[in-house]
Amino acid sequence: DQQVKQNSPSLSVQEGRISILNCDYTNSMFDYFLWYKKYPAEGPTFLISISSIKDKNEDGRFTVFLNKSAKHLSLHIVPSQPGDSAVYFCAASSGYSTLTFGKGTMLLVSP
Amino acid sequence: DTGVSQDPRHKITKRGQNVTFRCDPISEHNRLYWYRQTLGQGPEFLTYFQNEAQLEKSRLLSDRFSAERPKGSFSTLEIQRTEQGDSAMYLCASRPMTVDNEQFFGPGTRLTVL
Repeated sequence: DQQVKQNSPSLSVQEGRISILNCDYTNSMFDYFLWYKKYPAEGPTFLISISSIKDKNEDGRFTVFLNKSAKHLSLHIVPSQPGDSAVYFCAASSGYSTLTFGKGTMLLVSP
Repeated sequence: DTGVSQDPRHKITKRGQNVTFRCDPISEHNRLYWYRQTLGQGPEFLTYFQNEAQLEKSRLLSDRFSAERPKGSFSTLEIQRTEQGDSAMYLCASRPMTVDNEQFFGPGTRLTVL
């Protein structure tokens, strides 16, 4: 049973446009959500996070939105750059527990 | 480099052999995690240490797997009698004792069991 779902395996966007990556979760106990970026042959790199007491968190070009009633979060990247091309993982946790990851979305930003 | 380091980066072994991986967390991070990632999947939790105490184990961690963190600093993950299904990327992560739950990952050890 997949508690964190990323239903789009891949996404292609042109440079300068907005990238929107989506994530759904089923466990109501999750209260902290994170996005990681992963390049081939490297470990995941932390990008941005959001607590369940907020509905938006922004860091430079990256914004995460949380809709608790829909159990949905999204990562917006504006403007997208070719260097953003990577696999993006959504992760969730309950309290200070371990992270539960989605399967990832591969983002390709073309010049 | 003050990030999480893992050794070796790649390991090829024959079925039935034992392998051991090492993880050095970021200094002063008292929490250390092991995850496994297979092709097309996200990282899956294996086990977690707070200082030297192993506090949680996943059901994925069969009795062929053992992890230690003897002095609360580096950690080792040993797989005995490896099987082809053990082929995966083994990731280590650490985090400090803070209110946030951001975990910082190492580069991983890629295990191939022939």
